[in-house]
Amino acid sequence: DGGITQSPKYLFRKEGQNVTLSCEQNLNHDAMYWYRQDPGQGLRLIYYSQIVNDFQKGDIAEGYSVSREKKESFPLTVTSAQKNPTAFYLCASTRTGGSYNEQFFGPGTRLTVL
Amino acid sequence: AQSVAQPEDQVNVAEGNPLTVKCTYSVSGNPYLFWYVQYPNRGLQFLLKYITGDNLVKGSYGFEAEFNKSQTSFHLKKPSALVSDSALYFCAVRDIRPSNTGKLIFGQGTTLQVKP
Repeated sequence: DGGITQSPKYLFRKEGQNVTLSCEQNLNHDAMYWYRQDPGQGLRLIYYSQIVNDFQKGDIAEGYSVSREKKESFPLTVTSAQKNPTAFYLCASTRTGGSYNEQFFGPGTRLTVL
Repeated sequence: AQSVAQPEDQVNVAEGNPLTVKCTYSVSGNPYLFWYVQYPNRGLQFLLKYITGDNLVKGSYGFEAEFNKSQTSFHLKKPSALVSDSALYFCAVRDIRPSNTGKLIFGQGTTLQVKP
């Protein structure tokens, strides 16, 4: 999972609470991504950021928010507006300068709503 | 619309036998294709990619993939499977809209089960 850390590994949330998932990379990558993984559905893109202080919605952004104040960090907040947040969340990064670069993934955070 | 399909939810193979995990794609223009592997409760690990050039791409852990433009396929292969290859495999294609964002579109994943 080299170079990208996610914390915590497991997270439990009560309904109505906001929670923030951490993602940090030391690869000097410009672009970062958040995915949600559900069984049998592959990975779905939540948000992505190509540069500090800029980010774009992915395919399933509703109920989520992000920030990109530093190049190394791209935290994801799961808000109470997300109706079904129980899932495995993956953060990834890649170099810019060409969209042929592979993405590097963190180890993931498993979020469970109680 | 751009898409990636992995037609098999699960592939079963005996250790030592060759394995194939199938992937087909639909994109506008030249495809950039990727294979990743995921072990339980872990992140994805990059195996290989096709950008241009030779249709047979070699990657990590003895895996290779064959790009076939006429069949719009990018099947993952390995000549001799190991029990330790048992994992979830994802095929992905670069999303060209908007361009140069590095976004990927992933298939649903295929579980590979290698039995001793």
